[in-house]
Amino acid sequence: EPEVTQTPSHQVTQMGQEVILRCVPISNHLYFYWYRQILGQKVEFLVSFYNNEISEKSEIFDDQFSVERPDGSNFTLKIRSTKLEDSAMYFCASSEGQSSTDTQYFGPGTRLTVL
Amino acid sequence: GEDVEQSLFLSVREGDSSVINCTYTDSSSTYLYWYKQEPGAGLQLLTYIFSNMDMKQDQRLTVLLNKKDKHLSLRIADTQTGDSAIYFCAEAYSGGYQKVTFGIGTKLQVIP
Repeated sequence: EPEVTQTPSHQVTQMGQEVILRCVPISNHLYFYWYRQILGQKVEFLVSFYNNEISEKSEIFDDQFSVERPDGSNFTLKIRSTKLEDSAMYFCASSEGQSSTDTQYFGPGTRLTVL
Repeated sequence: GEDVEQSLFLSVREGDSSVINCTYTDSSSTYLYWYKQEPGAGLQLLTYIFSNMDMKQDQRLTVLLNKKDKHLSLRIADTQTGDSAIYFCAEAYSGGYQKVTFGIGTKLQVIP
């Protein structure tokens, strides 16, 4: 069964450093998403992406965040200058379409630890 | 805005039924989901229900939706130790690019 994959599974970085989290969505999916889950809190929507541009973003997704689809398979989330409060599990998801009948499939997550 | 609430913890004995409850606020939700997260793993879609349905059954899983009360439940029959996980209730609102709103997750502990 096709699945969303994410690398690395765990990333440790120093405050102020840039990190890039990588995702490979399911191959025939056209819509891509990032969510995050701070320890003990809810999974929160960050951004959705379609046709090489951001479709929607939350208030969390400020100027230090960016997303990119650098090639036909990868989808990345970049955090330019990490802060302690960016420590969280980051989930990538993808879906075939963007209606509510198109279920989002989630990857296993990347645990980001900012020291 | 959208909000999804669920209890934090549920403990059941192996073989019993588990019922995990959830309430949501967005009346324009079109799909309601149950995701399962095992330790160290990602979010696995278990089942979903369209908002014009009352019930959906899928093997050991039964989803009940009370649209009037905005209450969703997941019943797991004959609960097994392998069902121990965190279960997330989630809703997709119809007004945008399918932004999924999650509850905080209910940790199900199955006692052998």
